[in-house]
Amino acid sequence: LAKTTQPISMDSYEGQEVNITCSHNNIATNDYITWYQQFPSQGPRFIIQGYKTKVTNEVASLFIPADRKSSTLSLPRVSLSDTAVYYCLVASGYSTLTFGKGTMLLVSP
Amino acid sequence: EPEVTQTPSHQVTQMGQEVILRCVPISNHLYFYWYRQILGQKVEFLVSFYNNEISEKSEIFDDQFSVERPDGSNFTLKIRSTKLEDSAMYFCASSGGTSGGSPFNEQFFGPGTRLTVL
Repeated sequence: LAKTTQPISMDSYEGQEVNITCSHNNIATNDYITWYQQFPSQGPRFIIQGYKTKVTNEVASLFIPADRKSSTLSLPRVSLSDTAVYYCLVASGYSTLTFGKGTMLLVSP
Repeated sequence: EPEVTQTPSHQVTQMGQEVILRCVPISNHLYFYWYRQILGQKVEFLVSFYNNEISEKSEIFDDQFSVERPDGSNFTLKIRSTKLEDSAMYFCASSGGTSGGSPFNEQFFGPGTRLTVL
């Protein structure tokens, strides 16, 4: 399984754009990059998934460069409720998810 | 919107007792999982289940653990003889709907069962 590395924590203010970068140097050809969000005492929640280039949904954007060795989750105009742990995962098919420690994002007023 | 449900939300048990954690996955999903998260630590994979059998399990999932899908809707995790270190939040997840259209790595997690072993 490809290992991922992401910052332990990030701080932001309401209304700012937040970019969380994840490196996955050993990503395999059939791996997809997936991001999950977790609030305290809740299960992780899927945010977005991509294979290459850019993916956007109503919640976030995911930027993946051509070499796919890294990815950036972009959260536009964060609010206090975006305070959570964000996990970057790499997996293929219906394989199990291997969670790292994630990035604790703290949004302040 | 369909969701994964888990019962109970909190289970307190004595060391050495058996516990059964219950989950109702999303109805058209085909893949089922159990994860656990010890307080303050990362989410850890326990087991995956597909086509009525275990498809993958981690080192944590030893002989004390078992899973079952007894009736086509429930998915249970049994811990035969609980230990103090089994205290954690246990999450059930499901994925792989027959209707398609969902990213295949999108696992839907339940709210969790907090297991406290005394």
